[in-house]
Formats: sequence, C-alpha cells, structure tokens
Amino acid sequence: DGGITQSPKYLFRKEGQNVTLSCEQNLNHDAMYWYRQDPGQGLRLIYYSQIVNDFQKGDIAEGYSVSREKKESFPLTVTSAQKNPTAFYLCASSPWTGHDGELFFGEGSRLTVL
Amino acid sequence: AQSVSQHNHHVILSEAASLELGCNYSYGGTVNLFWYVQYPGQHLQLLLKYFSGDPLVKGIKGFEAEFIKSKFSFNLRKPSVQWSDTAEYFCAVLPMDSNYQLIWGAGTKLIIKP
Repeated sequence: DGGITQSPKYLFRKEGQNVTLSCEQNLNHDAMYWYRQDPGQGLRLIYYSQIVNDFQKGDIAEGYSVSREKKESFPLTVTSAQKNPTAFYLCASSPWTGHDGELFFGEGSRLTVL
Repeated sequence: AQSVSQHNHHVILSEAASLELGCNYSYGGTVNLFWYVQYPGQHLQLLLKYFSGDPLVKGIKGFEAEFIKSKFSFNLRKPSVQWSDTAEYFCAVLPMDSNYQLIWGAGTKLIIKP
C-alpha cells in the first residue's frame, strides 16, 4: 500500500540526547514536511523539503535538523538544543510544494523526554 | 499575522445530534480551505476541501462545509452524528501566495456519546 511510514511510534529520551525520527514515503511525492503537534495548539511546521538535497526552515526550526538525501526519506533529528521536545511529531508529503495544499500524513511519533 | 481560529476546543454531543464546528481565518487574499480529521489511533486525513466554485462542499462520511467569503469562515457541518465521528477535527487554510504553507487551527476534539 502507498503511504507514509514513521518510526518509531513511541520514543523515550533522556535530557541531553539527540534522537532521530524516521519518515519514509512511497507515494513518489516531491515535497515532505515535519510538523509538531501539541495539545490545543494545532500543527506547527518545523521543516519542509521541496526536492532532494534541499530543505527550508518552518516556523519552529530551532533545535531540530533534517536531511533529504533521497526522495523517499526525510528524517528529523531532535537535538539537545530543543528546549521542550516532548511532543507528537507528524511527517507529511504532497506531490509538490504549491500543490493544492492537500497533505498526506504518517501515523506520527510520540517523543517523551524523561 | 495570518491565523486560523477554531471556536471550540472540545465538543460533546449525543448520537443523532447535529454538528457545526466553526472555523475563521485572517487573510484577505485567495485561499484553499481544508478540514482534516484524526480518529483515535489513526493518521490525520483529509475530510473535505474547497478551492473554488460552489461554496458548499461535501466530504466523506456525510460531512459538508460552507465557505462564506464575507465572513472569512469555513464551518463544518453534519446533520446527524454517529459514535464513530469521535475524533479531533482540524481546519487548515492555504493562502495562495508565494509561501504555499498551510496554516492550522488548534483543533476541536469531538466526543459523541452513544
């Protein structure tokens, strides 16, 4: 089935550790996105990528990093510099940026910092 | 700054009741409008969308939404809800400017009592 796969689903991390969340898509979409979802705040854009080897900061990029070495993959690293990393992280894709706006989402990764 | 406002964070209804969830946005130009739904334990998915034409749009599972340009609103409706409609509903707006990034509302958690 075509779709977006995020892993792990649940992740626990100690303060000061970096952690990488995986996002893979087999929809042949050019654009990929990372969002953070906090209760009562909706979705906030962390990073997005329109094409391989290129990505742009979203509204809350501080403390995060990404890479886009392959079209199918867009991993997100939550670094120790992120002051409040406990959250639900959603990866999404669309055929291309500037498309009609419809996004396709993965099931999310819930990160808890102990 | 552009924003999307969802009027209610939590709504509790009984089965067969009618539903209306409010969504207002602040942007004076052309927009694409969306409602997404997140059922418990599932990924965020598109419920319906509006690009142009008939301001009353129909989506999946009997949902519809009406775009009222003069009020900058895109309210979601369903005449008779079911227990399976229990979910979180997000309104999103895509300003058709150079940024092409969705702006999300904070979400409304809907609980349907059987």
